Amino acid sequence: GQQLNQSPQSMFIQEGEDVSMNCTSSSIFNTWLWYKQDPGEGPVLLIALYKAGELTSNGRLTAQFGITRKDSFLNISASIPSDVGIYFCAGRRASGYALNFGKGTSLLVTP
Amino acid sequence: DAGVTQSPTHLIKTRGQQVTLRCSPKSGHDTVSWYQQALGQGPQFIFQYYEEEERQRGNFPDRFSGHQFPNYSSELNVNALLLGDSALYLCASSGGQGYNEQFFGPGTRLTVL
Repeated sequence: GQQLNQSPQSMFIQEGEDVSMNCTSSSIFNTWLWYKQDPGEGPVLLIALYKAGELTSNGRLTAQFGITRKDSFLNISASIPSDVGIYFCAGRRASGYALNFGKGTSLLVTP
Repeated sequence: DAGVTQSPTHLIKTRGQQVTLRCSPKSGHDTVSWYQQALGQGPQFIFQYYEEEERQRGNFPDRFSGHQFPNYSSELNVNALLLGDSALYLCASSGGQGYNEQFFGPGTRLTVL
């Protein structure tokens, strides 16, 4: 499956700062999902997006489904140490069931 | 409410051997997908099972096969193991027709020596 382009590859920030990351593709997706993965664990679903232009929040996390349907953004406000981990975007095409993943953004937060 | 469970957690095999990994979906889910995650990479889709049939397959060779049982649990089988098969194997379950969100288990770490 096609891998999505996720950026930045890594981020090193201080506690309390806001974080932005994005995901782009050359293909159109019907669904965008954002996951967080801790070392040795499976990905945990954070936010699901189903409509172009949709903006959805989950606590301090906000994600948007790009209007072109080829991109998505995730913002984390007022970061805390437990936000440390790898964040993955995943997209699903209308024609299939598979999730196509990015390579992840590694987030490190210092107290 | 139990989430997705996988067994075993870790496995070490040698080249040429066969392996079977198991997955029980989240309660209420009837669809199981399998992914392979190499170190430093995002998960790669292997296949999805629904109603005991393989509904979609990713770009993986026939050495990778699966099965879904009437209780919706699933197995992933890999034959003739290669060194490159070493990875974290993730199972994800979803409800309805498979279009809903996919929830992942903790994974099985396979090492091929």
